[in-house]
Amino acid sequence: QKEVEQDPGPLSVPEGAIVSLNCTYSNSAFQYFMWYRQYSRKGPELLMYTYSSGNKEDGRFTAQVDKSSKYISLFIRDSQPSDSATYLCASNSGGYQKVTFGTGTKLQVIP
Amino acid sequence: SAVISQKPSRDICQRGTSLTIQCQVDSQVTMMFWYRQQPGQSLTLIATANQGSEATYESGFVIDKFPISRPNLTFSTLTVSNMSPEDSSIYLCSVEGTSYNEQFFGPGTRLTVL
Repeated sequence: QKEVEQDPGPLSVPEGAIVSLNCTYSNSAFQYFMWYRQYSRKGPELLMYTYSSGNKEDGRFTAQVDKSSKYISLFIRDSQPSDSATYLCASNSGGYQKVTFGTGTKLQVIP
Repeated sequence: SAVISQKPSRDICQRGTSLTIQCQVDSQVTMMFWYRQQPGQSLTLIATANQGSEATYESGFVIDKFPISRPNLTFSTLTVSNMSPEDSSIYLCSVEGTSYNEQFFGPGTRLTVL
């Protein structure tokens, strides 16, 4: 079983839709949860970074962590064509522990 | 955030040859990381490189196959040795941000081995 699992998609939505991207993880020691966005032929860029359970909002993006169910979500409001990318969730247990990435979900926002 | 460049951006190589990938950062950083990203698979950490010490390799990756140099705080190289088609992948370097969990990635090197 992979430590971080993601549906690879692709996920296609119309412009303006609310997007929900999800991951599950299996390692109970994970405390830090990250979302990266990767445009085609580019390196990943850090989008959101949360610690433990709860929500974190940044503009149109909201990251949500439910440690009881080991579930990580990223919500994108008023999605734009420029949001079309692959979204990677990632996690680690803190300190200098290796960051474990999901396989990524490819999102396409259609104008 | 750090600005990271990688060279080459892409290459096509013959089986049995070696390729050295360069990673340059615009600021001094303690830790640099090398990842492999294969189609349909997650980013996989190859090794962590600290300046002035031997790189630390993850399970499944060995120094003979992926030697790494870290001569200073802004530069690192990864060599993919004795390549086979299974080494075809995107190789990415990253650096630590304000914490270990925040990483900044380079644009990647797309390697195809024939």
